Amino acid sequence: EDQVTQSPEALRLQEGESSSLNCSYTVSGLRGLFWYRQDPGKGPEFLFTLYSAGEEKEKERLKATLTKKESFLHITAPKPEDSATYLCAVQARSARQLTFGSGTQLTVLP
Amino acid sequence: EPEVTQTPSHQVTQMGQEVILRCVPISNHLYFYWYRQILGQKVEFLVSFYNNEISEKSEIFDDQFSVERPDGSNFTLKIRSTKLEDSAMYFCASTQTLGNTGELFFGEGSRLTVL
Repeated sequence: EDQVTQSPEALRLQEGESSSLNCSYTVSGLRGLFWYRQDPGKGPEFLFTLYSAGEEKEKERLKATLTKKESFLHITAPKPEDSATYLCAVQARSARQLTFGSGTQLTVLP
Repeated sequence: EPEVTQTPSHQVTQMGQEVILRCVPISNHLYFYWYRQILGQKVEFLVSFYNNEISEKSEIFDDQFSVERPDGSNFTLKIRSTKLEDSAMYFCASTQTLGNTGELFFGEGSRLTVL
């Protein structure tokens, strides 16, 4: 069974204070690992896809990296508008469905 | 920017009643999904739909659930006889191509409350 574990559950940062979110996964043959952002009461919004260990993707203040067992979402100099829940999900080669983690609720204080 | 739209945004129903949740996926997308999120829990996969048939479904998607694309634009999720534990946010999602099946576009969700 595919599993995704995210840590920490919640993270409070001061504006400009860089940090990382962790996503550990087990999957029977990884097709892709995905990061989504979810604002309260909204649907998840796609951020990144990572396909193989060593791959990195960047978007504004966010950078996602992938190893064979985990992924990190690095947030550099965050702003209050980065406050959201960040979800990690995996897709196995044999499936179309995504398996999501519980998310990390990020709060960036001004 | 094209988006996935869902109706209703919130529905309250009595246990045992039938509910239909509606979605209009992005127009050139080919793959459609329903996920749900019980309050405070993970987003969970329910079903995927392609070429007018179910391509994958989870254990949650039992005989009480059904999906349909009745008219080429709408994509519906029907729950025949709702239970208290069906209370959740239901998200419709779509994607364009087979190669990017994890890059989903989600709607804003339909909150279902079963009393």
